[in-house]
Amino acid sequence: GQQLNQSPQSMFIQEGEDVSMNCTSSSIFNTWLWYKQDPGEGPVLLIALYKAGELTSNGRLTAQFGITRKDSFLNISASIPSDVGIYFCAGPPYNAGNNRKLIWGLGTSLAVNP
Amino acid sequence: DTGVSQDPRHKITKRGQNVTFRCDPISEHNRLYWYRQTLGQGPEFLTYFQNEAQLEKSRLLSDRFSAERPKGSFSTLEIQRTEQGDSAMYLCASSKQGYEQYFGPGTRLTVT
Repeated sequence: GQQLNQSPQSMFIQEGEDVSMNCTSSSIFNTWLWYKQDPGEGPVLLIALYKAGELTSNGRLTAQFGITRKDSFLNISASIPSDVGIYFCAGPPYNAGNNRKLIWGLGTSLAVNP
Repeated sequence: DTGVSQDPRHKITKRGQNVTFRCDPISEHNRLYWYRQTLGQGPEFLTYFQNEAQLEKSRLLSDRFSAERPKGSFSTLEIQRTEQGDSAMYLCASSKQGYEQYFGPGTRLTVT
């Protein structure tokens, strides 16, 4: 089935560093959602993007809706140990219709060395 | 303000047994979703309810799987004759009108 491509697959950084990750699709998306998932827990919504070119921040997190509408980016500034987890992008495919079904990437695993 | 809750959090069962999971969505959310997630993967869509109506089912949802949302509030997901391949995290999410879905903590199923 359709899937979003996330890059990088994993990252290991030092505390205080900035982090960048992205999500790409071969088809157009009208909405991009970024989630964080801790081990053994459900995903937590971080940021939602609804318009091409949109740049939205949530604390140290900033996400952008790509101009082509086929990609999105998430940046984390000044990382801290609690940023550890798996970051997923998700969005409704072009043929989602009314059901709001989401397609998900495979995630970017982030590890932070204190 | 309570979020999405799921019960149980963990379930260990023997192959061939039936299991049932419960999801209580955020109270004003009329849409409810079930996903399945295995290690190293993102959540995979299983089924979706708008109020009490089940509007879509994934082909992943075999005949052994059934979901209900009888009064448009809580939902149950039942797996009959469990198989080892059913071992996964089962996630429930709810939403209002938009695409933003809010997830519960999940039910971890282990089939031995």
